[in-house]
Amino acid sequence: SQTIHQWPATLVQPVGSPLSLECTVEGTSNPNLYWYRQAAGRGLQLLFYSVGIGQISSEVPQNLSASRPQDRQFILSSKKLLLSDSGFYLCAWTLKGQGYTFGSGTRLTVV
Amino acid sequence: DAKTTQPTSMDCAEGRAANLPCNHSTISGNEYVYWYRQIHSQGPQYIIHGLKNNETNEMASLIITEDRKSSTLILPHATLRDTAVYYCIVRAFSSNTGKLIFGQGTTLQVKP
Repeated sequence: SQTIHQWPATLVQPVGSPLSLECTVEGTSNPNLYWYRQAAGRGLQLLFYSVGIGQISSEVPQNLSASRPQDRQFILSSKKLLLSDSGFYLCAWTLKGQGYTFGSGTRLTVV
Repeated sequence: DAKTTQPTSMDCAEGRAANLPCNHSTISGNEYVYWYRQIHSQGPQYIIHGLKNNETNEMASLIITEDRKSSTLILPHATLRDTAVYYCIVRAFSSNTGKLIFGQGTTLQVKP
């Protein structure tokens, strides 16, 4: 069966520090992968998506970047975190024509 | 992808049916209606999707009007655990990117 792993569950980072969030998918091949962010009390915002290794599309220009070094691995990064980067980060995957499966999320607090 | 309009919030009594409406008047012929829900502090959960026929699964029923400009998600016997934000999304089934764009959704409060 397919599973999605996302870690860490919670993270507290100082302003200006780097960030690396990792998401891996098991049990499927060549999935579409997505990073979403949800600020406190707000809706889900699509940040990045990838349809294949090395293929990244950015939805919102910002302080973050994404990479897909392997078929089932999706990484969200930042060189220097801002206070506004705080939020609930969710990774998701889908195969063409199917529903999305979301990870359990990482709650990031930038202090 | 077509935009959707949902009420901001709704209440429902426990054990009763919860009917959540969604307007998608600009939906295209190749676009499906998807419903997801997000329970507090969790990732969104897929509920159901459909094109033009009514659909039912173990979680809910989806009723799509004949002109496909609106739909209703029905939770037949709401429980307290169904309290969540419900998102109605339309997107092309064959979309290569498969981007799922979330609106503000409907906050459903199930009350005892």
